[in-house]
Amino acid sequence: AQRVTQPEKLLSVFKGAPVELKCNYSYSGSPELFWYVQYSRQRLQLLLRHISRESIKGFTADLNKGETSFHLKKPFAQEEDSAMYYCALSGLNRDDKIIFGKGTRLHILP
Amino acid sequence: DTGVSQDPRHKITKRGQNVTFRCDPISEHNRLYWYRQTLGQGPEFLTYFQNEAQLEKSRLLSDRFSAERPKGSFSTLEIQRTEQGDSAMYLCASSTRQGGYGYTFGSGTRLTVV
Repeated sequence: AQRVTQPEKLLSVFKGAPVELKCNYSYSGSPELFWYVQYSRQRLQLLLRHISRESIKGFTADLNKGETSFHLKKPFAQEEDSAMYYCALSGLNRDDKIIFGKGTRLHILP
Repeated sequence: DTGVSQDPRHKITKRGQNVTFRCDPISEHNRLYWYRQTLGQGPEFLTYFQNEAQLEKSRLLSDRFSAERPKGSFSTLEIQRTEQGDSAMYLCASSTRQGGYGYTFGSGTRLTVV
């Protein structure tokens, strides 16, 4: 069954410290992986996707097929990074819908 | 085109009443998705359309829920005989057929059933 697991509901990190938001997935095949972010009072928006291998706002994510993980990382946290982060996956079949994890709230401490 | 629009932003209704939400996707997007999000949970898939065709409906969606997308443009989600458990944020998203590029979400409609 398709599943996305984000083990941390809340992660508090001091400003300037490294950030790692964990995501593990279960999927029979090779999925496409995403990270979505929701800032306070804003809509859910795409942060990055594995296929593009881009770095957005200093965040990167590496797909580890052996560990079925897609952890989100940033070397130095900024206060504006405080938000809700959702890991998500879809199949590579373009008819597949996106499945979301439950999310991790990232709180950057001053 | 300013993105995906949803109306209303908030809806309070009494248990047993019917409610209808509207979503206007990005004009060049032929795929439209409905999700539901409750407190502490990620968005949960409900149904999706490609143009006017409803291609998939979640097993979690009871018969009280129905969605339409006439003419492949805007979509409506109707909930009949609302229950308190229907209280949630209802999100609409759209994309091109190449779903691997991710979706663009609307701001959502928050439903409160009292």
